[in-house]
Amino acid sequence: EAGVAQSPRYKIIEKRQSVAFWCNPISGHATLYWYQQILGQGPKLLIQFQNNGVVDDSQLPKDRFSAERLKGVDSTLKIQPAKLEDSAVYLCASSFAPSAYYEQYFGPGTRLTVT
Amino acid sequence: AQTVTQSQPEMSVQEAETVTLSCTYDTSESDYYLFWYKQPPSRQMILVIRQEAYKQQNATENRFSVNFQKAAKSFSLKISDSQLGDAAMYFCAYRGNTGNQFYFGTGTSLTVIP
Repeated sequence: EAGVAQSPRYKIIEKRQSVAFWCNPISGHATLYWYQQILGQGPKLLIQFQNNGVVDDSQLPKDRFSAERLKGVDSTLKIQPAKLEDSAVYLCASSFAPSAYYEQYFGPGTRLTVT
Repeated sequence: AQTVTQSQPEMSVQEAETVTLSCTYDTSESDYYLFWYKQPPSRQMILVIRQEAYKQQNATENRFSVNFQKAAKSFSLKISDSQLGDAAMYFCAYRGNTGNQFYFGTGTSLTVIP
């Protein structure tokens, strides 16, 4: 079974530039999560999708971050414009359903450096 | 808001020995899940073990077991017969049964000494 795929693995941009991350969840997983993991901290949930609908985006800085999952499969997370404090690893995860009963499977992450 | 605290930024253990990682949490909910995740240097996080709050019996997965103390809001992870492959960052996490948010601790970096 293929795992959660993410690209790119690394990205370096200057502040005020834009960047997009892509995630392909495990086949058949209806729930998709994006996390931000700042160095030395645990992951923080940014947004959760159920199929192509948003379940929770309460921690997403909506003035600069956006995310979509148009066909209920792949997802894109965008930052525009980026700030220095956005430097972090962005993790995508998926699960069969939104209940905490179902295990989340994580991708390898995208390490973003904003200079 | 729920918080998860891991008070040990770093731990080390001799190969084949036992180590215990600590985690405490704060919540007003009665029904929730607790997790331990392992994040090796490659950064892909994997689930080690899970505990459902309504279950009194401590969860066990091979060499990994937990000591769940609901009244004390404590959830420690015991790794027995430590192996070199156990070296990683370990995160404790909480999720309420009604909400969507996962709350992670700041992690404990485990070193296994050959």
